[in-house]
Amino acid sequence: AQRVTQPEKLLSVFKGAPVELKCNYSYSGSPELFWYVQYSRQRLQLLLRHISRESIKGFTADLNKGETSFHLKKPFAQEEDSAMYYCAPLSGGYNKLIFGAGTRLAVHP
Amino acid sequence: DADVTQTPRNRITKTGKRIMLECSQTKGHDRMYWYRQDPGLGLRLIYYSFDVKDINKGEISDGYSVSRQAQAKFSLSLESAIPNQTALYFCATSDLGGRATDTQYFGPGTRLTVL
Repeated sequence: AQRVTQPEKLLSVFKGAPVELKCNYSYSGSPELFWYVQYSRQRLQLLLRHISRESIKGFTADLNKGETSFHLKKPFAQEEDSAMYYCAPLSGGYNKLIFGAGTRLAVHP
Repeated sequence: DADVTQTPRNRITKTGKRIMLECSQTKGHDRMYWYRQDPGLGLRLIYYSFDVKDINKGEISDGYSVSRQAQAKFSLSLESAIPNQTALYFCATSDLGGRATDTQYFGPGTRLTVL
């Protein structure tokens, strides 16, 4: 079965510190992966997608097939980054996202 | 995204009652989804629909049913609510489907409490 693991329920850092939110997956074939974010009192929304190799709000995520990881990174965290982050591989065949349990990022001043 | 709306936003009900949660979208998307969110478990897919004639079970469909009344509307029903169905329910839509560039757009959520 396809699974995604986000080992940290809570990640607490100070403003300006580097951030890495971990995501590991078990998946057959070539996975397509996404990070979704939910800010306080806002809807869940797409943050970035693996295939685009983009940097959004300073965040990047590299797919490491050897380690089956798709960690989300930002070199200098900001208070407005505080949110719930979900790693989500795309299930093969159809657009079915499999969400991890999520990591709450708290950035303190 | 105001293009995906859910009603009601909050609902408290009793065990055994039938409940319907509604989702509407003005994005013109063919694909719609229902998820539930529980603390520590993330979002889990209940049902999904790729068009008005296509309904598919997700990973946790037991105890739930859905109806796709039109392209824009996708309803989730709990035929006989039980306390462990207390959760936050999200509706989502997507357009292209099955592509790595696709995006799902989420509604604001419905908080359901079953006493």
